[in-house]
Amino acid sequence: NAGVTQTPKFQVLKTGQSMTLQCAQDMNHEYMSWYRQDPGMGLRLIHYSVGAGITDQGEVPNGYNVSRSTTEDFPLRLLSAAPSQTSVYFCASRPPGTYLYNEQFFGPGTRLTVL
Amino acid sequence: SQQGEEDPQALSIQEGENATMNCSYKTSINNLQWYRQNSGRGLVHLILIRSNEREKHSGRLRVTLDTSKKSSSLLITASRAADTASYFCATDPTGGFKTIFGAGTRLFVKA
Repeated sequence: NAGVTQTPKFQVLKTGQSMTLQCAQDMNHEYMSWYRQDPGMGLRLIHYSVGAGITDQGEVPNGYNVSRSTTEDFPLRLLSAAPSQTSVYFCASRPPGTYLYNEQFFGPGTRLTVL
Repeated sequence: SQQGEEDPQALSIQEGENATMNCSYKTSINNLQWYRQNSGRGLVHLILIRSNEREKHSGRLRVTLDTSKKSSSLLITASRAADTASYFCATDPTGGFKTIFGAGTRLFVKA
């Protein structure tokens, strides 16, 4: 298994540009989530999904959209990039069953800079 | 808002010593998790403790949970230089799926 994969690893955008961060997992995990990590801080939840076709907002959803058309993929879209969205973005997934008693598996992250 | 608060923010010890990190949280939880993050990398799960558990061990790791005080501690025994990393606690609040992370403790183990 490749686990949780994220692309790209690095991205530089100009203010106002849009882009999609890709996340995929091959473990048949129903729960997937997106976090951002700012320097010296922990992770903050942006959006999450408990299964295909179901998404919900996390702590910091503004400026981001998600969709979940398949179990494997959970892309994160930046609608109009702003410098405040400069961060490292992590995707994670959880095994099926009792989500709340299973750990999360994290991808390697995407380092995004918005100029 | 961050629910998990970790203490200390940074810790520097000698190889072979024990390292203790603490985490406090604000609301009732289903479980508490500890993760490690090496510089520039993703997070790696270390241990999960359920709300009805008080202590859990995994190798050199020992985690305690006190739900009455809303706090947890992570003990790493006989630390090694390879343990140098940031350690984060994360909680799953009761009734939801929105995991909340603390700001982390940066551990530096000197060889």
